[in-house]
Amino acid sequence: SQTIHQWPATLVQPVGSPLSLECTVEGTSNPNLYWYRQAAGRGLQLLFYSVGIGQISSEVPQNLSASRPQDWQFILSSKKLLLSDSGFYLCAWSKGSGANVLTFGAGSRLTVL
Amino acid sequence: DAKTTQPNSMESNEEEPVHLPCNHSTISGTDYIHWYRQLPSQGPEYVIHGLTSNVNNRMASLAIAEDRKSSTLILHRATLRDAAVYYCILNNQGGKLIFGQGTELSVKP
Repeated sequence: SQTIHQWPATLVQPVGSPLSLECTVEGTSNPNLYWYRQAAGRGLQLLFYSVGIGQISSEVPQNLSASRPQDWQFILSSKKLLLSDSGFYLCAWSKGSGANVLTFGAGSRLTVL
Repeated sequence: DAKTTQPNSMESNEEEPVHLPCNHSTISGTDYIHWYRQLPSQGPEYVIHGLTSNVNNRMASLAIAEDRKSSTLILHRATLRDAAVYYCILNNQGGKLIFGQGTELSVKP
């Protein structure tokens, strides 16, 4: 069966510090991968999605970047965090075919001080 | 991008049915209709999906309008554990999956 792992679960970082959030998927090949952010309140903002290694689509201009060095690995990074980067970051995967059901990770809570 | 519209919030009484509506008037022929729900401080979880026909699973039922421009998620007997934010999204396998604000469902005992 497929599993998705996301870490760290919580993170408190000072403004201007770097960020790295990692997401891995096991038990499937060539998944679509997604990073979403949920700020205070509701609504999930799509940040990046990837349909294959090295293929990253950015949805929102910001100081974040994403990389997919392995088929099963999706990394969200920042060189210098802003206060506005605080939020709940969610990684998800889907098969990219058929009904394309999304499966989400447990999320990473980032607080920038 | 295909877009969905949902009421901001709804209330239900425990053990009564709940009908959560979603409008998606710009749906294309290849878009699946997906529903997810999110409990506080957790990632969203898949509930149900459909293309044209009504669907049932152990969690809920999905009723899709004949013109596919709207759908309704039906919880047959709401429990306190069903209190969550429910999201309706259109999924066309293209990778760009956009979530709206969802409907916050509260369930009263």
